[in-house]
Amino acid sequence: QKEVEQDPGPLSVPEGAIVSLNCTYSNSAFQYFMWYRQYSRKGPELLMYTYSSGNKEDGRFTAQVDKSSKYISLFIRDSQPSDSATYLCAIGIYGGSQGNLIFGKGTKLSVKP
Amino acid sequence: GAGVSQTPSNKVTEKGKYVELRCDPISGHTALYWYRQSLGQGPEFLIYFQGTGAADDSGLPNDRFFAVRPEGSVSTLKIQRTERGDSAVYLCASSPRTSGRDNEQFFGPGTRLTVL
Repeated sequence: QKEVEQDPGPLSVPEGAIVSLNCTYSNSAFQYFMWYRQYSRKGPELLMYTYSSGNKEDGRFTAQVDKSSKYISLFIRDSQPSDSATYLCAIGIYGGSQGNLIFGKGTKLSVKP
Repeated sequence: GAGVSQTPSNKVTEKGKYVELRCDPISGHTALYWYRQSLGQGPEFLIYFQGTGAADDSGLPNDRFFAVRPEGSVSTLKIQRTERGDSAVYLCASSPRTSGRDNEQFFGPGTRLTVL
């Protein structure tokens, strides 16, 4: 079992739809959780960063973490064609030598006008 | 301010050649990471620097790969005797710190390496 599992999609939705993107992880030691957006041929761009169970909202984006289920989600409200990209979940552990992030495969999202 | 920059943006080389990939992190960021991203995959960790030293190089696939950060700022990833399987996008990220909660990683645009 990989440390982080993410459905690669692709996912296609109409403009204005609510999008739900999900990841599961296996290591309960993970402490912080990020979502990145990656446009084609670009580097990942940090969208959301959270370290506790619950919801964190930023504009049209909501990140949700359930540590008891080892499950994280990103919700996009009122999706726009400009949201079309690959969304990567990334999970990490604080401190020590383990500063690196473990990424999911990414979910490719297409929002149709 | 300026983000993470990487040069070159594209590199095409022949099997067996040596390549160097450069990363300029965000000014003041002490932590620097290298990742490799293959087509259809998420980035995979290669090496992490805290200041000038490699704090974790457990992701380097073999001894053909080496990275340096001599002055604690710019880093160079070096690949010897390149193989076709090394073809990927090499991403660099920097972070203000790695302890506590201010350790978001900010990525550069990547270097697309193609080994013929």
